Amino acid sequence: DTAVSQTPKYLVTQMGNDKSIKCEQNLGHDTMYWYKQDSKKFLKIMFSYNNKELIINETVPNRFSPKSPDKAHLNLHINSLELGDSAVYFCASSHGGSGANVLTFGAGSRLTVL
Amino acid sequence: AQSVSQHNHHVILSEAASLELGCNYSYGGTVNLFWYVQYPGQHLQLLLKYFSGDPLVKGIKGFEAEFIKSKFSFNLRKPSVQWSDTAEYFCAVGPPGNAGKSTFGDGTTLTVKP
Repeated sequence: DTAVSQTPKYLVTQMGNDKSIKCEQNLGHDTMYWYKQDSKKFLKIMFSYNNKELIINETVPNRFSPKSPDKAHLNLHINSLELGDSAVYFCASSHGGSGANVLTFGAGSRLTVL
Repeated sequence: AQSVSQHNHHVILSEAASLELGCNYSYGGTVNLFWYVQYPGQHLQLLLKYFSGDPLVKGIKGFEAEFIKSKFSFNLRKPSVQWSDTAEYFCAVGPPGNAGKSTFGDGTTLTVKP
């Protein structure tokens, strides 16, 4: 039973298209995140939501819009895709208290923009 | 601003060799420290963490790491690696209780030859 699941795992699309990546966690965590991992494996946070409220919004183009319908879901919608958006996108979650720093990651969604 | 530096980008070892991966960080305050591992085709998962107390922490699969505050280091060690340890290893640091503020190093690729 996957703790953090993302779909799709692979996504190949043309420049200019709009696409979404979905994420769900069944851990009961309060906080969810989106990370971007570039071709050099560098992992950078994009967004963080706590109980459906945006708490971190790093400098990302406004073509990227996260949506959290409930605290178990955090979806990432990307408009007008560009070549530079090609990367692996990881969803993650964490809970509060002493373990608030420990991230549980999804398997990643590899986005390729042609 | 906090930063994390992993000195070894690619390490190649034979089975049964000892492993030490370097991690140094820059952060002006109390830190929580982590090592995450990403096996081929899989998601990042927590290998071990340091919050407080004994600076020598033990993780899964025989890994350990030592926090040396004076050196701002958190090196990962394993006395005898196995082929199944082939993976990407990421060091991360962040303030207590705020996973979204964690900064990741750019990873070390470990290849273990059978």
